[in-house]
Amino acid sequence: DGGITQSPKYLFRKEGQNVTLSCEQNLNHDAMYWYRQDPGQGLRLIYYSQIVNDFQKGDIAEGYSVSREKKESFPLTVTSAQKNPTAFYLCASSMRRETVNYGYTFGSGTRLTVV
Amino acid sequence: GENVEQHPSTLSVQEGDSAVIKCTYSDSASNYFPWYKQELGKRPQLIIDIRSNVGEKKDQRIAVTLNKTAKHFSLHITETQPEDSAVYFCAAIPWRGNTPLVFGKGTRLSVIA
Repeated sequence: DGGITQSPKYLFRKEGQNVTLSCEQNLNHDAMYWYRQDPGQGLRLIYYSQIVNDFQKGDIAEGYSVSREKKESFPLTVTSAQKNPTAFYLCASSMRRETVNYGYTFGSGTRLTVV
Repeated sequence: GENVEQHPSTLSVQEGDSAVIKCTYSDSASNYFPWYKQELGKRPQLIIDIRSNVGEKKDQRIAVTLNKTAKHFSLHITETQPEDSAVYFCAAIPWRGNTPLVFGKGTRLSVIA
């Protein structure tokens, strides 16, 4: 589905529970990103990774964690420390910039709801 | 760091009219400016992009213009159709380092038939 797959499509989290959102790409892209989307807030960067075994915090990293053990995978864990996790989460990937910038390919998103 | 402002936040046009969405950026080192379209409940998709060595780029009914001096760029959609209704995001990326795209907050375009 466009080379980048997010699962599940819908996820429900109970108070105090950690949940993990999956993101897998087969585009051979080096860089991967996690964005959070709330109504009227646009796309806010949570974490990003330019290469395997390396990642950086974005603008709203508190309460989230990631790993990048494989080039194809960049899972996002929403921890209990994230007090308002209800949102639409988008994963994206791109070729790594050297001398030319490239646009992102987005996954279809995961809608997380706290119950 | 880079900051991208996008206006307007909502835009309604009659079918067949043109729509213009404007963005400004703060970092003069930014050199790549993509536009994304997001239909309701779906993923953002790249519709057009422009690099800093080009002033204008067209793709059928869509065009993007860039004014590096003023640090703003605009999306122009001509002969709008109902299927153009969506949220549009602009973005910019600075050349320095491997930093991610910085997005505007989006414009919700409604094309009224």
